[in-house]
Amino acid sequence: EIVLTQSPGTLSLSPGEGATLSCRASQSVTSNSLAWYQQKPGQAPRLLIYATSSRATGVADRFSGSGSGTDFTLTISTLEPEDFAVYYCQQYSSSPLTFGGGTKVEIK
Amino acid sequence: QVQLQESGPGLVKPSETLSLTCAVSGPSISSYYWNWIRQPPGKGLEWIGYIYHSGSSNYNPSLKSRVTMSVDTSKNQFSLKLSSVTAADTAVYFCAKYNSDYKAFDIWGQGTMVTVSS
Repeated sequence: EIVLTQSPGTLSLSPGEGATLSCRASQSVTSNSLAWYQQKPGQAPRLLIYATSSRATGVADRFSGSGSGTDFTLTISTLEPEDFAVYYCQQYSSSPLTFGGGTKVEIK
Repeated sequence: QVQLQESGPGLVKPSETLSLTCAVSGPSISSYYWNWIRQPPGKGLEWIGYIYHSGSSNYNPSLKSRVTMSVDTSKNQFSLKLSSVTAADTAVYFCAKYNSDYKAFDIWGQGTMVTVSS
């Protein structure tokens, strides 16, 4: 099983600042198999990024993804008030499909 | 516009079987891989498994011995059964559509909370 480790656990930032979220895999993940989700309290996760760097439909261009192998990054260029949420990475390079433990982006 | 809606009991007794259904609105269920994912209170996401319209399935090894998924094409819905539940199975259960091109879940249900308690 591929274990995804997200860091930091919590990121305290102010609106207007940039955010960099990390997702590290226990073994190599194919670049077309790494996705990122945003989840707000009481809601289902929302797909943001798939295939490492492709934005899902309707996702603002301040969200971008990058990485390869075992190290992947989600970058939010300028935080808007609605971006404060929990973010999860997910892989399906090999079964079972796994999620990272999440990074909470909170208002400082 | 694809929509998913979970339904089922919100309370299940320990050792009994949890049963949930996900109704699919929009495309025929005879496409795509249909998944169940759960999230214990205050914790992260855990993939339970998927079912395809043909009946083929793939379950998370951590739950495989207790999970059964099925699909009802006549009702455009799919189901989850989780047997011998304990308090550790208390969670919000989501159904989700897997996009094979994206290798990700592009449509999610709103989720349903299931509590295991006597």
